[in-house]
Amino acid sequence: QSALTQPRSVSGSPGQSVTISCTGTSSDVGVYNHVSWYQQHPGKAPKLMIYDVSKRPSGVPDRFSGSKSGNTASLTISGLQAEDEADYSCCSYAGTYTPWVFGGGTKLTVL
Amino acid sequence: EVQLVESGGGLVQPGGSLRLSCAASGFTFSRYWMHWVRQAPGQGLVWVSRADGDGSTTTYADSVKGRFTISRDNAENTLYLEMNSLRAEDTAVYYCARVSSAGTTFDSWGQGTLVTVSS
Repeated sequence: QSALTQPRSVSGSPGQSVTISCTGTSSDVGVYNHVSWYQQHPGKAPKLMIYDVSKRPSGVPDRFSGSKSGNTASLTISGLQAEDEADYSCCSYAGTYTPWVFGGGTKLTVL
Repeated sequence: EVQLVESGGGLVQPGGSLRLSCAASGFTFSRYWMHWVRQAPGQGLVWVSRADGDGSTTTYADSVKGRFTISRDNAENTLYLEMNSLRAEDTAVYYCARVSSAGTTFDSWGQGTLVTVSS
């Protein structure tokens, strides 16, 4: 049972948009603007896609965007491409005791 | 270019010990908090432990507290995780990860090393 709740899977056709949700609590997502999203291809290391809710590291396409409302953060991928097929995990800062919590991951399938 | 390379994983019996290493390069290692994050087969990422720049401040997840010890050698640019009293539920890929200078995200990850606890 992961601390943050994500859908197990989402899918979309090339060119479409998909949104992945990440629900936490008032102790993590709801109170800190330190939500990140990671892309992970099978057998590979996580890659940072979004940080601080909606910021993109250099090199990440602007097709990837993030937002937050209350205790729920969201990752939206527009103009889906085949290479976007991967697992996506959210992460939030949660304070000094257990500083970082993750979601269980969402498998994105590009149809 | 930032690089993090883990090593030391393998098969170990329940109750056994293992030490993981993470060799860092491409940045001033001593200036960054470093973390261990693990991922059990088919499961999500789970934060395990962290150490500040000089290793004097460390924190652990409840699930590993008292069994795992994080440390670092800044002269060798290496992060360690000493794992004792290993259990089947510790089976996972262990990643070392760097937290950004702003302290708000994991901005670099290693490729991971697999630890399997089984008899």
